[in-house]
Amino acid sequence: GIQVEQSPPDLILQEGANSTLRCNFSDSVNNLQWFHQNPWGQLINLFYIPSGTKQNGRLSATTVATERYSLLYISSSQTTDSGVYFCAVDRGSTLGRLYFGRGTQLTVWP
Amino acid sequence: GAVVSQHPSRVICKSGTSVKIECRSLDFQATTMFWYRQFPKQSLMLMATSNEGSKATYEQGVEKDKFLINHASLTLSTLTVTSAHPEDSSFYICSGDRGTDTQYFGPGTRLTVL
Repeated sequence: GIQVEQSPPDLILQEGANSTLRCNFSDSVNNLQWFHQNPWGQLINLFYIPSGTKQNGRLSATTVATERYSLLYISSSQTTDSGVYFCAVDRGSTLGRLYFGRGTQLTVWP
Repeated sequence: GAVVSQHPSRVICKSGTSVKIECRSLDFQATTMFWYRQFPKQSLMLMATSNEGSKATYEQGVEKDKFLINHASLTLSTLTVTSAHPEDSSFYICSGDRGTDTQYFGPGTRLTVL
């Protein structure tokens, strides 16, 4: 299967700081999604971004499909941003199977 | 839109019993539903993919007789953990795909088998 690697595995920030999370994948993909898993386990869709750049408030994401990576930017981080950020990709199979990375654990301190 | 619910959110059962977890898409019809398992501080591992009215497709290493999946309608899928054992304790998450390449996830069910 496709390999998805996320870095860094852990990130500790003070409120107000900016951060960049990276997702590398080993093969061409049809679908790439970023998720935030809150402390209660709920996965929240952040971006569907197989290519290009998108922004939503303090968050933005860029995927360079030809170079097989995606970046998630968090600006002016807040304590509520804490949690695990997952990148997941799909190669476009008919089953829509998502391959997840191991996630980045983000902790934002006040 | 695109809300997925799971019930129960938390269940504790004795070893040897069966547990059923429901996954519902509340405001859309899910062409396909997926079941994932997540161990503490680890990633999500896909267990199976189900389409309404047909048999589920299980990932390699997942026992289909132990994890029974029924996709009764376009808004409901159930996962039954049969003869549960402590090693089945985990966080089970479902998702629905409404055919737009974006999966929407339920809040998860934490299963503890004593």
